[in-house]
Amino acid sequence: QLQMQESGPGLVKPSETLSLTCTVSGGSIRATNYYWGWIRQPPGKGLEWIGSIYYGGSTYYNPSLKSRVTISVDTSKNQLSLKLNSVTAADTSVYYCASHTRGYSYVLFDSWGQGTLVTVSS
Amino acid sequence: DIQMTQSPSTLSASVGDRVTITCRASQSINSWLAWYQQKPGKAPKLLIYKASSLENGVPSRFSGSGSGTEFTLTISSLQPDDFATYYCQHYSSTYPWTFGQGTDLEIK
Repeated sequence: QLQMQESGPGLVKPSETLSLTCTVSGGSIRATNYYWGWIRQPPGKGLEWIGSIYYGGSTYYNPSLKSRVTISVDTSKNQLSLKLNSVTAADTSVYYCASHTRGYSYVLFDSWGQGTLVTVSS
Repeated sequence: DIQMTQSPSTLSASVGDRVTITCRASQSINSWLAWYQQKPGKAPKLLIYKASSLENGVPSRFSGSGSGTEFTLTISSLQPDDFATYYCQHYSSTYPWTFGQGTDLEIK
């Protein structure tokens, strides 16, 4: 069974870069039927799709974040990564990595990590 | 962008009630709609995809319907474990992909 675990700093200073890693177990990040994504949720608010990637395929970003975000995969470590630069307090959220395991959608997420809270504060 | 609007934002109900949550898309998404359930402090869980297909392991009291721009999630007989927040999400070919704002299902 696919499992994902987010990791990274819980506190980031304003204007700096938020960097998170999602370690995947129980499946290969290169698998042809897996698509990967990041979603965030500000405290007490709803879900916001950040972006998605398919190994060997395309990467899509939320237009509202596109200028600041990079999503990539590290096949040697079986990890997904998220970088969000020039952060502000509005980027304070729980960040989830997630996967679509059925081979056809960048955003129909049937498997999720537990999430990690990132606070932006000086 | 396709906007997803859920109603109501909050729903108070009792165990055993039949409840319906509505999700409207600002343009047609055919049947490319999913429903997720989220409990406090937990990741969302996929309940329904393609508007009406039940995810493996999800109780049959959950059902989804609709196509085009209007969709519903129905819980036929509320159980204590069902009190949570529910989100719809479109995954049509029209990028970007968006979630609804969520519906909090509360105990009356």
